[in-house]
Amino acid sequence: AQTVTQSQPEMSVQEAETVTLSCTYDTSENNYYLFWYKQPPSRQMILVIRQEAYKQQNATENRFSVNFQKAAKSFSLKISDSQLGDTAMYFCAFMKGGSEKLVFGKGTKLTVNP
Amino acid sequence: GAVVSQHPSWVICKSGTSVKIECRSLDFQATTMFWYRQFPKQSLMLMATSNEGSKATYEQGVEKDKFLINHASLTLSTLTVTSAHPEDSSFYICSANRDVYNEQFFGPGTRLTVL
Repeated sequence: AQTVTQSQPEMSVQEAETVTLSCTYDTSENNYYLFWYKQPPSRQMILVIRQEAYKQQNATENRFSVNFQKAAKSFSLKISDSQLGDTAMYFCAFMKGGSEKLVFGKGTKLTVNP
Repeated sequence: GAVVSQHPSWVICKSGTSVKIECRSLDFQATTMFWYRQFPKQSLMLMATSNEGSKATYEQGVEKDKFLINHASLTLSTLTVTSAHPEDSSFYICSANRDVYNEQFFGPGTRLTVL
């Protein structure tokens, strides 16, 4: 079974600075997808970024980028120029290719301070 | 695009009653939807996979008879909590896969409080 580990329960960062959230996963699959979801206080889950395992290039979405290290099974999220609206729980998630089920990590609570 | 709605957003009910929660994909068709439960300050726990036109697949430890799932159309899945008890109080979230893109989109959640 796949597992997703987020080792940082809480993190904080100053507005406009950069922060990196860690995620590692365990799988024997070769075809899979990785995701970062954001859950603000409203509790609406929002997809931040996704990465296909077969792609070597790291995904980027505006201020959000990932460092995908397939051999190390690591998938960290970097948030640049942090904004107050980035304050949220961030969940790393894994999806096996051919499956539609998501396996979530326990989450990291990120607080952006003014 | 890719909007998923849930209704109601919150509900309070008496112990022993049943509550139905609806999940709709508004601008895409979803053959598969998922139901999660989230306790305060915890991650999402997958309860079941809802398949259009067939029986739901429940995760280990989830009571099928308590959490009834019906996926009546390509845009609607319902979760009925039967004979609800205070321990069923939680935040319930549904999601739907937009198949072509293999992305899962989430509803805004339903807060259930059982008195």
